[in-house]
Amino acid sequence: DADVTQTPRNRITKTGKRIMLECSQTKGHDRMYWYRQDPGLGLRLIYYSFDVKDINKGEISDGYSVSRQAQAKFSLSLESAIPNQTALYFCATSEGSGMYQETQYFGPGTRLLVL
Amino acid sequence: DQQVKQNSPSLSVQEGRISILNCDYTNSMFDYFLWYKKYPAEGPTFLISISSIKDKNEDGRFTVFLNKSAKHLSLHIVPSQPGDSAVYFCAASNSGGSNYKLTFGKGTLLTVNP
Repeated sequence: DADVTQTPRNRITKTGKRIMLECSQTKGHDRMYWYRQDPGLGLRLIYYSFDVKDINKGEISDGYSVSRQAQAKFSLSLESAIPNQTALYFCATSEGSGMYQETQYFGPGTRLLVL
Repeated sequence: DQQVKQNSPSLSVQEGRISILNCDYTNSMFDYFLWYKKYPAEGPTFLISISSIKDKNEDGRFTVFLNKSAKHLSLHIVPSQPGDSAVYFCAASNSGGSNYKLTFGKGTLLTVNP
């Protein structure tokens, strides 16, 4: 079984709709992240959470919100989807053990198309 | 301003030969570097990392070299195999700042021809 899972894997929605992307992990990690990838670009950080009560904005948080329902679950919402939010979305986790150099582990991604 | 640069969008090599993927960075505060491999329809998979206190780290067929003075790192794959064909991302972080944040390059598509 995959350590980091994302649902749905693919989603088509219309402009103005609210949608939620979900991420679950069985790695027991404290830290979770949401990234987006656009064609020809690297991954850019949207939001991150160091524990259930800690939520922080990344470099491109406008138009997105998140919820950390439990240590293992981190959801990303698009409040009112727009076409330039069409992208590949990845959830990631890291241990949060206090190690100052951490490796992040990624889910399989959600491909989102906003019409 | 792109702080992590992978200037080669693609690279093609023959099976059995060496693949060398390059990455340059501009932020001198970066002290931890990672390589991820990504197949189509999958998430990035961690491959290998290196701390700035080292200049080389090896794991099987994969070796990462770090040249701090040149702000340059490279990933060597020897010997290359067709299954290595994927997009490779270089990433960097500043552990003295916010160790959560990975800054990624745009990726290099490696094709290993049989």
